[in-house]
Amino acid sequence: GQNIDQPTEMTATEGAIVQINCTYQTSGFNGLFWYQQHAGEAPTFLSYNVLDGLEEKGRFSSFLSRSKGYSYLLLKELQMKDSASYLCAVREDRRAGYALNFGKGTSLLVTP
Amino acid sequence: GAGVSQSPSNKVTEKGKDVELRCDPISGHTALYWYRQRLGQGLEFLIYFQGNSAPDKSGLPSDRFSAERTGESVSTLTIQRTQQEDSAVYLCASSLALHPEQFFGPGTRLTVL
Repeated sequence: GQNIDQPTEMTATEGAIVQINCTYQTSGFNGLFWYQQHAGEAPTFLSYNVLDGLEEKGRFSSFLSRSKGYSYLLLKELQMKDSASYLCAVREDRRAGYALNFGKGTSLLVTP
Repeated sequence: GAGVSQSPSNKVTEKGKDVELRCDPISGHTALYWYRQRLGQGLEFLIYFQGNSAPDKSGLPSDRFSAERTGESVSTLTIQRTQQEDSAVYLCASSLALHPEQFFGPGTRLTVL
């Protein structure tokens, strides 16, 4: 089994930068994912890290440190539409395919 | 093109009844996943299908839960003798084989009274 921890809620201002942290404990790590989920909607894929380091994709970046069991999602130039829940998920060796274990999500509120 | 679709969007049932949930994956996606999202909880993996291989059922919470998939098309998730703790949103996702990005459907909200 594993634990995935991320803050429950965060608030940030439009145009600012916000960092959402995620820590995990797993017996066989095989990749870390970030998904975005707007209220009442399906999750959508944001990023995937399997090696240490930073992956940048437009305004969003994701970082992984496997030795520390730590990842963060960085959102730059925040927009009101970025208000959503951000889900950290881990892929384990014991599961087939890309079956994921998700954290409870971080609810981000972007204010004017 | 069309995304992942699920039906029904909402299902209210009485405790002890059986329910069947349906998922239509994106055409050409050989991998299909079922997850459950209880209120205030993270998504829980239930079952994974890949082509004609034996499914990974390691996430199913009890023998009341089962799922089928015919080839690379529609999947159904069946819950027998539903209990109140089965109330949740059931999400289906599909992907290309061995591809990390999963595309999620809108979910079925199941309420067991």
